[in-house]
Amino acid sequence: DTAVSQTPKYLVTQMGNDKSIKCEQNLGHDTMYWYKQDSKKFLKIMFSYNNKELIINETVPNRFSPKSPDKAHLNLHINSLELGDSAVYFCASSPIGSLAGDTQYFGPGTRLTVL
Amino acid sequence: AQTVTQSQPEMSVQEAETVTLSCTYDTSESDYYLFWYKQPPSRQMILVIRQEAYKQQNATENRFSVNFQKAAKSFSLKISDSQLGDAAMYFCAYRSALSTSGTYKYIFGTGTRLKVLA
Repeated sequence: DTAVSQTPKYLVTQMGNDKSIKCEQNLGHDTMYWYKQDSKKFLKIMFSYNNKELIINETVPNRFSPKSPDKAHLNLHINSLELGDSAVYFCASSPIGSLAGDTQYFGPGTRLTVL
Repeated sequence: AQTVTQSQPEMSVQEAETVTLSCTYDTSESDYYLFWYKQPPSRQMILVIRQEAYKQQNATENRFSVNFQKAAKSFSLKISDSQLGDAAMYFCAYRSALSTSGTYKYIFGTGTRLKVLA
């Protein structure tokens, strides 16, 4: 069974469109994250959710909004897409309050291409 | 603020040989964790090894081991008996101490691309 899954795997869209990327984890973890990996492979954290509460927001444009309907899901909504949004987006999760609470488990990534 | 630096954008190693990837970090905290992640062409991020800052003993995981120098803030990854399947992007990562809100902050380096030559 896949621990952290993302859909879609690939997403190609036009500038100005609104799109969403879904993430689900079946590990029972308390915290989920979204990362952006640019063309230079630099990985930067965007959001972190703990029990449906936004904990970290690394100066991300407000066109990006995370939505967490429940503890197992953290979706990423992007409005008015720009060329610079093209990247690979990774979802991750980690447990809180356990001995393994220091390890993040990553999803397979979603490659977003904005034309 | 904490930082993580990987100064080697790319490394090559002959199959069956040993290679060391370097990572340095900067922090004022005394309690933290360090990780090495592997990202193969499939883009999945895979945890390779982790090190608790309070432990003096270097972590090992089969062919992977680290050289953790806390005073020097250095955390290098050694891969022994390199295999073709080890070819990937390797990221060094730092996890801060637990915050008052009950979460950790992760900071990643820019990565080192490892090529394994047959």
